[in-house]
Formats: sequence, C-alpha cells, structure tokens
Amino acid sequence: AQTVTQSQPEMSVQEAETVTLSCTYDTSESDYYLFWYKQPPSRQMILVIRQEAYKQQNATENRFSVNFQKAAKSFSLKISDSQLGDAAMYFCAYRSSATSGAGSYQLTFGKGTKLSVIP
Amino acid sequence: DTAVSQTPKYLVTQMGNDKSIKCEQNLGHDTMYWYKQDSKKFLKIMFSYNNKELIINETVPNRFSPKSPDKAHLNLHINSLELGDSAVYFCASSQGSPYRSYNSPLHFGNGTRLTVT
Repeated sequence: AQTVTQSQPEMSVQEAETVTLSCTYDTSESDYYLFWYKQPPSRQMILVIRQEAYKQQNATENRFSVNFQKAAKSFSLKISDSQLGDAAMYFCAYRSSATSGAGSYQLTFGKGTKLSVIP
Repeated sequence: DTAVSQTPKYLVTQMGNDKSIKCEQNLGHDTMYWYKQDSKKFLKIMFSYNNKELIINETVPNRFSPKSPDKAHLNLHINSLELGDSAVYFCASSQGSPYRSYNSPLHFGNGTRLTVT
C-alpha cells in the first residue's frame, strides 16, 4: 500500500516570502499522480496543483510550484510571494494510475502541514 | 453552481441515534467517495462508488452504510451513533471508470461536521 508522509506538522512564513512544504511517498508503482490540496479554516478542500509521475517537468500554477524528484519519491510544494490567504492546512496526496482495483480511485493523503502567514 | 454539495453542514446528535448525510454532484463524474477527517485533520477513505457500484469499502463499522441511488448521489447513513464518530465527513467525486484511468483530481464538498454528544 502507498503511504504519504508530510514531516512538517506546522510551518510559518513571512508575508511576501517563499516557503516550501515537503512531502515524500512510498510506492512500488512507476506511474501515478500527485496532488496538493489546501484546506483553509472554512474547511473546504481546494486543489492547488497536480503532477503526473511520467512528466519530468515540474508543475506550476501561478505562485505555486512543485519540485518533483521521482527517484527520491519527493514532491515538495513551493509557495512564492506568500499571502495572508495562503494560511491553511496543506495536504499532499497520491493516486495510483492503475486501471483496475480499488487503488485506482482513491487518494491517499498525508497528515497535513499547517501553514501560518505572518503579516 | 455548487459542484459537490453535501447536507447538512453541521449535525449535532446524541449517542445511539441514526443519522444520514446526503451528497450530490453535478459534474457528471463517475465515481464518488466518502472521507472521514478526524480531530487531527487526518483524511481517510471510507467508501467509494463507481456508477452506483461499491468499489472501495475500507474497514469501517457496519453501522456506516453508503447508498448510491444514481451516479450523481452518494448518501451516508450511520446507525447507533457513538462518541468516536464525531468528525468531519467529506463527500467527493472524480472522473474515472473501471476501464480507463484519469488524471482527475477529487472534487470535494464542504464537509459535514458531525458532533455526537
């Protein structure tokens, strides 16, 4: 079974600065998908960014980018020019690309990193 | 328009009661899920349905019973509620089928905070 580890329970960043949240995962598969979700105090789960394992190029979405290191099984999230609205829980998640079986549908989540943004 | 909507948003009830949480998605997705988020914010899959067929059934007490009348709805019924059932329950949906794999993220509802007293 796949596992996802977020080793930083809490992080803080000064407004307008850059912060990197770490995520590692364990899998025996060669193809899979990785996601970062954000959960603000409103409780809503919001997709931030996604990455296909077969793509070497790191995904970017505006101020959010990832550093995907497949060999190291690492998938960190970088937030540039941090804003107060970025304060939230951030969850890293893994999804198998298997075309059959229960593992092909569900997301396996890490335990989350709580990000605080200091004005 | 809300893509994945679940009701109620908050649910406070006493031990031993039976309650239901409803979920509907208007995204045309094939697969729906129930996740439980505990007090430490950990999200864990409970159930998943694909086109009304149960495909994931984690080790969840039999008191929890999902029902999918059609692929746009997945309801969660809980019998004989216990204190430990207090959590936030998220419904989600995604594109996908048994025959094809999609790079499709899960779209989540806003969660139902269940408090059992």
